[in-house]
Amino acid sequence: QVQLQQWGAGLLKPSETLSLSCAVYGGSFSGYYWSWIRQPPGKGLEWIGEINHSGNINYNPSLKSRVTISINTSKNQFSLKLSSVTAADTAIYYCARGVRGAAAGRFDYWGQGTLVTVSS
Amino acid sequence: DIVMTQSPDSLAVSLGERATINCKSSQSVLYSSNNENYLAWYQQKPGQPPKLLIYWASTRESGVPDRFSGSGSGTDFTLTISSLQAEDVAVYYCQQHYSTPVNFGQGTKLEIK
Repeated sequence: QVQLQQWGAGLLKPSETLSLSCAVYGGSFSGYYWSWIRQPPGKGLEWIGEINHSGNINYNPSLKSRVTISINTSKNQFSLKLSSVTAADTAIYYCARGVRGAAAGRFDYWGQGTLVTVSS
Repeated sequence: DIVMTQSPDSLAVSLGERATINCKSSQSVLYSSNNENYLAWYQQKPGQPPKLLIYWASTRESGVPDRFSGSGSGTDFTLTISSLQAEDVAVYYCQQHYSTPVNFGQGTKLEIK
């Protein structure tokens, strides 16, 4: 059974850098794209970006200038950094496994979510 | 970018009745090489991450009850719950998995009438 377990700081001040990590247990780590997706409270889902085991990365252009996604294949973990956060970055952040068929993936396993609040 | 638009934004259906949610993409998500539509549906209950219900527009994920079905092609898609159960109360999202950036619809809130 595949499980994604995520962790990271939940309270940030404006201009700080958000940092989250996600560990994958069970299943294969290669052969998938590993994504970060966020959801502002009471709102919809926004894809942030993805990485695969080879280090191929795709970012949402809307966040690209502030996002870094990295991977540690020896630990089956991947991470998200989002710089210069503002209140607009307050959201639940999810990690998810992407199953690729075309040039993008569907998400079949998700982490539990981390609420990140940006407040002075 | 492919923009996804769902309708309606909210829906109230009686128990045992049919629920229908629509999703429209701003461009076709039909992959010509395999004739599959790269459209997925998710269910999200409060306090939980989304759950994948359907992909390739009409293929149910393992373990999803058969009262959930997906249809459509090209740019117009539908999620149908044939006989609404109390546990189906949730927000439903469509998502195109045809190209990056991945985009989701704005969500449809399904309630019991």
